[in-house]
Formats: sequence, C-alpha cells, structure tokens
Amino acid sequence: NAGVTQTPKFRILKIGQSMTLQCTQDMNHNYMYWYRQDPGMGLKLIYYSVGAGITDKGEVPNGYNVSRSTTEDFPLRLELAAPSQTSVYFCASSYSDVPPTEAFFGQGTRLTVV
Amino acid sequence: AQSVTQLDSQVPVFEEAPVELRCNYSSSVSVYLFWYVQYPNQGLQLLLKYLSGSTLVKGINGFEAEFNKSQTSFHLRKPSVHISDTAEYFCAVRLIQGAQKLVFGQGTRLTINP
Repeated sequence: NAGVTQTPKFRILKIGQSMTLQCTQDMNHNYMYWYRQDPGMGLKLIYYSVGAGITDKGEVPNGYNVSRSTTEDFPLRLELAAPSQTSVYFCASSYSDVPPTEAFFGQGTRLTVV
Repeated sequence: AQSVTQLDSQVPVFEEAPVELRCNYSSSVSVYLFWYVQYPNQGLQLLLKYLSGSTLVKGINGFEAEFNKSQTSFHLRKPSVHISDTAEYFCAVRLIQGAQKLVFGQGTRLTINP
C-alpha cells in the first residue's frame, strides 16, 4: 500500500525560482490537503480540495497555487520562491468528511529557499 | 474561528511513568477533536478522535483522551509510557459544520527517558 506519496523529499531552491511539489494518493480519497510545518508552529493549511476540479484556500495560501485535475494528484506550485517559504510541506488525504475519517499524511518535503 | 492551544511545548517523562499532554480549544460552535503523532522524519498518524458519544476515547498504542466540553479541553493520557512513544503530538479540531479543515495546535514534544 503506497498511501500518500510526496516527491521530492528534499529540495533547495534559490530565491525567485519556481517548483512543483508532487502529491499522489492511491486510496481513491476525495479530500486532499497541503500543510506546511514550521518549528513550534504546528501545521498550517495552505490549500485543500474536496474533489477533482475543486480547490479552496486554507489559512496561508499566499505564494502558492494548486490544481486538482484527477482524484489521485494534488500538486502544489511555488511560483517565486521566498525565504519565508522554507518549511516542511505535508500532503494529506481523507475519504470522508461527514463525519471526518482519518487523514493520511505523506512523509513530507523539506524545502529550503536560499 | 476555532483555535487550539497545547499548553506544553515539551514534556520529559521517565519510562513506565504516566503522562498527560494538555490541549485546550476555542470555538463558538461544536467541533470534532483529534490527536495525531509524528515520529521523527515521518508524516502524521492518527492516534484517536472524538466525534460524538462517550467522552472517553481510546486510541492506538494505549493512549486515551477525554473530551471535557465545559472546560473545552481534550487532554491525552497514557498510564505507562515506553521509549518508543518519543515523538511530537498534535491536537487538532475541526468544525462539525462549515469549512472542511483541521486546525492544529503547536505540538508537544514528548521525550521518554530510561
């Protein structure tokens, strides 16, 4: 069982560069989420999706974009990387939201912007 | 908007001792409550959740939590910890109605000493 797969695991970007963090799940989950984790801050929701073609902003969406063309994939795009985007990024998915079922997390992408 | 406060950023405990990790939440409406665990260099894993019914909830690895509506708390407990419980623990809330997003606390790092 692959679950939620994130690539890459590590990345160093220069200021102003762009990149896409990939997230794929093989559990046929409708709900998918992107979080960033900063030390001592817990996890902050960047964007989420309730199904293919539907996305919405979370708490900290500025500087990011997402798309959801298929049920399986939910890539996160950074257009102009800034040092403030140095963080660990987690993708998650869940089957149902009413009532909420367990959210499964990927192993994370550690991004450094220099 | 809902918020979560984990009252201790770090909790050191000796092996086989009991432990309580404290979580308080703020919300003007009813919420679902969760505890997640994050082992080093891993994603988050669900420990337990409270949706409705009995206020004492049992989870994996011998953990349990008690929902106290009057005190808006959801403290996590384990009667006897093991070295393998060393991890970071996150409390999270979600509104029963409305936006489908988890709001996380800042995390509590549990360190088990032999």
